[in-house]
Amino acid sequence: QSVLTQPRSVSGAPGQRVTISCTGSRSAIAAAYDVHWYQHRPGAAPRLVIFGNDNRPSGVPDRFSGSRSGTSASLVITGLQAEDEADYYCQSYDIRLGGSGVFGTGTKVTV
Amino acid sequence: EMQLLESGGGLVQPGGSLRLSCTASGFRFNMFAMKWVRQAPGKGLEWVSGIGGSGRDTYYADSVKGRFTISRDNAKNTLSLEMNNLRDDDAAVYYCAKTMNTVIYYGMDVWGRGTTVTVSS
Repeated sequence: QSVLTQPRSVSGAPGQRVTISCTGSRSAIAAAYDVHWYQHRPGAAPRLVIFGNDNRPSGVPDRFSGSRSGTSASLVITGLQAEDEADYYCQSYDIRLGGSGVFGTGTKVTV
Repeated sequence: EMQLLESGGGLVQPGGSLRLSCTASGFRFNMFAMKWVRQAPGKGLEWVSGIGGSGRDTYYADSVKGRFTISRDNAKNTLSLEMNNLRDDDAAVYYCAKTMNTVIYYGMDVWGRGTTVTVSS
């Protein structure tokens, strides 16, 4: 059972903005570990889109942005494009799991 | 170009064993922590195991602790996952992923295409 909860799905028209929340239970995100976000399209390998709460890897469009506040984190996609349709997962670590990692429950973004 | 290639997946009976491998290229393998992540059919991503760059520090999800063993051979640029006492719920696509630092707490910036493990009698 994940300690990081995400909405099951969000949707938006092309060009719109969507926000995906990631809420930590048992203060999983309150520990000193960053939150990372991954995009996962069917049949493809997952892709890192945000690391360290709010940093974009090289090659990720600037319409992707991340933020973190206390025990919650968010991924925002502005100027939504058809290619953004995918599953998105937040990921962090919980020291109460012995330092093991944990993924969020996942959010399906529909454009 | 940084690449990861998994191998070793296949069909195994419940209670059986399997060893997955991941061969890395295009980066200094010993400088980065590595992880295994899986996705069962119809389910989300699940963090399985991680290992630091030196191989000294290892971590496991509760669901696999005591059954799976992660290891690495930095001389051969290879990551492995020994899986024993496999259960039905271990069936998944297993991904190998590179971390952005020698310790495991950073994001995973390079992923393999995955190898499929099927557990069935």
